[in-house]
This record gives sequence, structure tokens and C-alpha cells, in this order.
Amino acid sequence: AQSVTQLDSHVSVSEGTPVLLRCNYSSSYSPSLFWYVQHPNKGLQLLLKYTSAATLVKGINGFEAEFKKSETSFHLTKPSAHMSDAAEYFCVVLPNQFYFGTGTSLTVIP
Amino acid sequence: DGGITQSPKYLFRKEGQNVTLSCEQNLNHDAMYWYRQDPGQGLRLIYYSQIVNDFQKGDIAEGYSVSREKKESFPLTVTSAQKNPTAFYLCASSIGRAQGGYGYTFGSGTRLTVV
Repeated sequence: AQSVTQLDSHVSVSEGTPVLLRCNYSSSYSPSLFWYVQHPNKGLQLLLKYTSAATLVKGINGFEAEFKKSETSFHLTKPSAHMSDAAEYFCVVLPNQFYFGTGTSLTVIP
Repeated sequence: DGGITQSPKYLFRKEGQNVTLSCEQNLNHDAMYWYRQDPGQGLRLIYYSQIVNDFQKGDIAEGYSVSREKKESFPLTVTSAQKNPTAFYLCASSIGRAQGGYGYTFGSGTRLTVV
């Protein structure tokens, strides 16, 4: 069975401080993993994806994620939060169809 | 530029009415998908289609119907049988069956409200 768990439904950080959004997955297969971002009333934009190449994946807007098989984790990080990063973030696992996490809402405090 | 177009952006439906949400893509993608998004529940798959004239039910297909008469188009009808249709609906497409790391391309969504 495949599933994905986003450990925090809401994360709040101050502008300029690091961001950590946590994601754990379970998969019977070697998964592909994705992070998507959604701004209010907008579609989803791909931030980054892991497809069994390098375990540290760099994405757009300064985000990156590290695939840790031993921990079944794929946490999303950014060294310094910007106000424009405030959005909903979804972790997604894929062997043959997308399984979405329930989302983490990121608030950035000026 | 290629992409997915969903229309309308906002849609209001009266109780007991059927409504159809449009999804068109010019990416030449074979596969198309409909998701429903509710607060705190992430995205749930309603229907998907791998090729023209073929589609499969997702996790929450009850009260919905789709058609895939053209590769570019995958309209979703929310029927009166759907008991709680108020939600944000997202359409997506992918090159193939979304295996091997091919990501999806998403539309900008339609917010449906029952009045």
C-alpha cells in the first residue's frame, strides 16, 4: 500500500528564518516523490521531484528536499523564508498514481 | 504556451442541478485526471483517463461522471447525486500513466459552491 503523511498541518515561521515541512511516506515500490505548492485559489505548481537519482533534490524558489530511505522521509526545507512562500504545500508519492498528503499550510510572519 | 485550462473559475449550483466543469489541455498528454480538494483532506482522485474513450473511477467517483471524446478534453459533470459538491476541483494531465517520475501539470481549478 502507498500513503503519505504530512506531519504538520500548519507551520508558522518568521521571515528570514529556515523552513522545514515534514513528510513521511510508505510505499511497496521504489517511489517517486514530489512536493507541490498551491497559492490561494490557484492550481498546483511543482516545486521539486525525486526519481531515484540524487537523494538531495533542489527545486524552484530556493527549496530543496532530501530523500532518506531509512527514515522513509522526504522533508522540504528552505534556508530563509520569504513572504511569498506563504502557501499550502503538498507532499506526493507516486508509483502508479499520485497519493497526496493532506497538506501543510505555511504562514510567514514579517 | 502549453497548459491546462479549467473553466469557469467560480461556479454556483442550485440544489438538484447537474453542472459540468471544463478541462482542456494542449500539451498532447495522454492521461487526464480530476481531483477534489477539501480543507484538511488534501486532494482525492475522482476519475482518470489514460486514453481517449476510456476512463476509470478514482477513490470518490460517486455522484460524478466524465467523458473523454477528445484527447484534449476531459469534462467533469457533478450530478445531483453528489451529496456534498461544494469544493475546489483540480484537473491535471500527464504524459503517460505518470510512472517513472513524470509529474503532472495542473489546471488553476474551479471552485464550485452549492447555493
